[in-house]
Amino acid sequence: KQEVTQIPAALSVPEGENLVLNCSFTDSAIYNLQWFRQDPGKGLTSLLLIQSSQREQTSGRLNASLDKSSGRSTLYIAASQPGDSATYLCAVRPGSGNTGKLIFGQGTTLQVKP
Amino acid sequence: EAGVAQSPRYKIIEKRQSVAFWCNPISGHATLYWYQQILGQGPKLLIQFQNNGVVDDSQLPKDRFSAERLKGVDSTLKIQPAKLEDSAVYLCASSLGTGGRDGYTFGSGTRLTVV
Repeated sequence: KQEVTQIPAALSVPEGENLVLNCSFTDSAIYNLQWFRQDPGKGLTSLLLIQSSQREQTSGRLNASLDKSSGRSTLYIAASQPGDSATYLCAVRPGSGNTGKLIFGQGTTLQVKP
Repeated sequence: EAGVAQSPRYKIIEKRQSVAFWCNPISGHATLYWYQQILGQGPKLLIQFQNNGVVDDSQLPKDRFSAERLKGVDSTLKIQPAKLEDSAVYLCASSLGTGGRDGYTFGSGTRLTVV
């Protein structure tokens, strides 16, 4: 059974710092992995989608890497800003017999202090 | 492109009452998902539709939850009767296929409080 874990659960950093959020999954047979952002009381906004054949994806100050063999993904945020404060969720789409279901981690809540 | 629309945004009901949520996916998206997100946890899939057929409802508490997607477009999720533990955000998402190539788009969610 696929399980997704995100560490740390919460993180507080001063503005301008570069930071890394971690996501690990127990079954390496995944189709893809997606990082989402969730603001308080809001839905999920897709940040980056990495296919199983890819190693990383970049969008602006965000870079996500995927190491399928070790069951790990990281989300790197460069030069953090107060507007980056939110909960970041990692989700995997299992690769075997899959219908499209996503398995989510618990999320990392990030606070960037001015 | 319009996003995934959900209503209502918030709902407060007493336990044992019934409630319904509505979702309109992105036009042309064949697959629609309902997720339940309890405070402090990641979303959990309740039910997945491909057009108007159910693909996966293995985690749907069928004694109290029901969902339909008539005509393969919008969808309704119903809870009857509600329990305190149903308090959560209910998220609707859609994808063109099964999310393999293009990923998923989520709506803003409906926050349900059962008192």
